[in-house]
Amino acid sequence: ILNVEQSPQSLHVQEGDSTNFTCSFPSSNFYALHWYRWETAKSPEALFVMTLNGDEKKKGRISATLNTKEGYSYLYIKGSQPEDSATYLCAFRMDSSYKLIFGSGTRLLVRP
Amino acid sequence: DTAVSQTPKYLVTQMGNDKSIKCEQNLGHDTMYWYKQDSKKFLKIMFSYNNKELIINETVPNRFSPKSPDKAHLNLHINSLELGDSAVYFCASSQHETGWVYGYTFGSGTRLTVV
Repeated sequence: ILNVEQSPQSLHVQEGDSTNFTCSFPSSNFYALHWYRWETAKSPEALFVMTLNGDEKKKGRISATLNTKEGYSYLYIKGSQPEDSATYLCAFRMDSSYKLIFGSGTRLLVRP
Repeated sequence: DTAVSQTPKYLVTQMGNDKSIKCEQNLGHDTMYWYKQDSKKFLKIMFSYNNKELIINETVPNRFSPKSPDKAHLNLHINSLELGDSAVYFCASSQHETGWVYGYTFGSGTRLTVV
């Protein structure tokens, strides 16, 4: 059974704080690691797709790193804003399979 | 223009009924998926079609049957609905060659409630 685990489960921060979350995945047969942002009442939106060990990706104040040898990825948000409040999902893709295995997400709430 | 659209958005139905959920994408993607959000909020893959061919068929009851009339559509038919089928079902699509760059595009979900 392939498990993708995310921590923490939820996080409350103050506006302006920087924060990060972890995604752990199987380190064997790695193909890709996806990060999605999921706002309430909307659909998940792709943030990053990462494929190479040591990869770092950035979009505005959000960035992510990848370590495929040890099976983890970090998502960082610099200077959190209330509009960053959402659930952040990571998903693991093994080999060249079409299947994405999702973690349960980290729910972020940014207080003004 | 919605990229991946699901209908209906909400579906309330009685146990034992047969219902369908429709999904359409206008992105020109070649692969479509059905995911179920379970009680612990995990998104679990159910089915996937690539160019109208079934490529993922997870362990789901055979009361669930996907149908892909063409690359742009993937419907989910559920027979003899049970209380435990109540969940949010998400459709998604991707382009196989570039899905590793852009990720998957999700629909907004169909909340199915079986009473």
